[in-house]
Amino acid sequence: GIQVEQSPPDLILQEGANSTLRCNFSDSVNNLQWFHQNPWGQLINLFYIPSGTKQNGRLSATTVATERYSLLYISSSQTTDSGVYFCAVDPYNQGGKLIFGQGTELSVKP
Amino acid sequence: ETGVTQTPRHLVMGMTNKKSLKCEQHLGHNAMYWYKQSAKKPLELMFVYNFKEQTENNSVPSRFSPECPNSSHLFLHLHTLQPEDSALYLCASSQNFLSRFGNEQFFGPGTRLTVL
Repeated sequence: GIQVEQSPPDLILQEGANSTLRCNFSDSVNNLQWFHQNPWGQLINLFYIPSGTKQNGRLSATTVATERYSLLYISSSQTTDSGVYFCAVDPYNQGGKLIFGQGTELSVKP
Repeated sequence: ETGVTQTPRHLVMGMTNKKSLKCEQHLGHNAMYWYKQSAKKPLELMFVYNFKEQTENNSVPSRFSPECPNSSHLFLHLHTLQPEDSALYLCASSQNFLSRFGNEQFFGPGTRLTVL
């Protein structure tokens, strides 16, 4: 089956710093989503981005489908950005299920 | 608020108990999903329903029994669970995974289950 790999697995930042999270996937996909999981377990939708670039405030994402990777950029990080960031892909002909990466655990220090 | 609600938020049960988890979506979607997240691990798909029909059972043990009476509600019935079933159970919904407009999934807050 399709493999989804995220890097880095852990990241510690000082408040105000910028960061880039990466998601590699091993096969073609219908779509890709980025989520932020808060400490209470809620998954918050960040981006639905099968290809191209999107921006939402301090966050932006780019997916290069032909090269099978996606990047999530966080600028001017805040302590509330802490948590786990997951990318998840919807592979072709897999009935709509999402395959999740292992996540990047981000800790932003004041 | 994602438009997907789950109850209860926390559940502690013994191995001989029977309990049910409930999920409701207010987004007008037609596909609903159950995922399991064990500690420090990514989400794993359990079941998929599209227009009330089960389309995926990801080799889930029979002690987990899903039910989808309509496109807005999804249940997960639990019986004779094991301590290793303790996890966060998340429900999600999407428009329709066959839709040409895409299949963005939205998640509920989860039920944190502890099996003693």
